[in-house]
Amino acid sequence: NAGVTQTPKFRILKIGQSMTLQCAQDMNHNYMYWYRQDPGMGLKLIYYSVGAGITDKGEVPNGYNVSRSTTEDFPLRLELAAPSQTSVYFCASSTDPTDTQYFGPGTRLTVL
Amino acid sequence: KQEVTQIPAALSVPEGENLVLNCSFTDSAIYNLQWFRQDPGKGLTSLLLIQSSQREQTSGRLNASLDKSSGRSTLYIAASQPGDSATYLCAVSSGYGGSQGNLIFGKGTKLSVKP
Repeated sequence: NAGVTQTPKFRILKIGQSMTLQCAQDMNHNYMYWYRQDPGMGLKLIYYSVGAGITDKGEVPNGYNVSRSTTEDFPLRLELAAPSQTSVYFCASSTDPTDTQYFGPGTRLTVL
Repeated sequence: KQEVTQIPAALSVPEGENLVLNCSFTDSAIYNLQWFRQDPGKGLTSLLLIQSSQREQTSGRLNASLDKSSGRSTLYIAASQPGDSATYLCAVSSGYGGSQGNLIFGKGTKLSVKP
């Protein structure tokens, strides 16, 4: 199993550009999560999903959108990139909400 | 609002020492607590998960304890090795936003084990 995979690994965006961060898992997990990690800070939850077709906001959802059309994929969309969105983005998944979360390697995004 | 604090922020020890990392949380109504390891430029690796009904979990040289009533957890690392050098993150699940899976993270303790 590949576990949780994320693409791209690195990306530089200009202010106002849009992009989609990809996340996929092959463990048949229902629960998936997007976090961001700013330097020297803990991770903060952006959005989460409890299954295909069901998503909800986390602690810091502004400026982001998600969709979950399949169990495997959980893309994160940035519509109008801003410098405040410069961060490292992690995707995670779990079998149920009280179980261990498995993390992807992250996407390092810089907005200039 | 749940807040998670980790002390110390950084720790440097010689190889072979036993050490303790601390984690505290403000709301004792949690579902579970997880300890993760993060290597530079990498993702998080789960080390131990303690459910709210448990007091401790062990895996190899690692032992994590949980005291819900006082809002504290400790991660004990025995006989530390240079390969243990990493940032250790504590996270609690307290049902924020209506889902038990939503984790609140501390800022981490950066551990350096010197040969």
